Amino acid sequence: DIQMTQSPSLLSASVGDRVTINCKASQNINKYLNWYQQKLGEAPKLLIYNTNNLQTGIPSRFSGSGSGTDYTLTISSLQPEDFGTYFCFQHNSWPGTFGGGTKLELK
Amino acid sequence: QIQLVQSGPELKKPGESVKISCKASGYTFTDYAMHWVKQAPGKGLKWMGWINTYTGKPTYADDFKGRFVFSLEASASTANLQISNLKNEDTATYFCARDYSGDYWGQGVMVTVSS
Repeated sequence: DIQMTQSPSLLSASVGDRVTINCKASQNINKYLNWYQQKLGEAPKLLIYNTNNLQTGIPSRFSGSGSGTDYTLTISSLQPEDFGTYFCFQHNSWPGTFGGGTKLELK
Repeated sequence: QIQLVQSGPELKKPGESVKISCKASGYTFTDYAMHWVKQAPGKGLKWMGWINTYTGKPTYADDFKGRFVFSLEASASTANLQISNLKNEDTATYFCARDYSGDYWGQGVMVTVSS
């Protein structure tokens, strides 16, 4: 199985900050990398699919980049509603695997 | 609009079985596979597998072979997950998600296994 190593696991930031979250795959995943946001007690929400495609309805302050084994989610200017936990997910190979999550909290 | 609505929370004893449903609406059910994801309390997400909603063929991740069964009631646009011989470690929230991209998710079903 492909291992997804996500960092950092905890991120403290303020409204207006630019934040980045990273995911490293144990092998090339050919840009088949999605990013999700999850708030407590809710289902994950798809933000970015296939590395850099913004899901419909997601604000443009979210962006994704990367290739090969290294991928990044960037939030350009953090808003109060952005706090929660973020997961990456690779769907290049079966079985799909998630990163361990990044909890984004208010500093 | 597209929705996946799952059944309600379950409290079961070890050894019992549980069946969770996921009813889709707002799109053609058989056009997209349905995937299942497990989230243990306070933990991350684990992809369990998927079912081809056109053929009914299920595919299971290795950790979910044996006691886990994906099925369909296609006429009702519903996918089901059945877990038999429940163990304490099955305590988790189970999500259905449309397609491998996971563009839409159900709200999740909390299954608690406790004696």
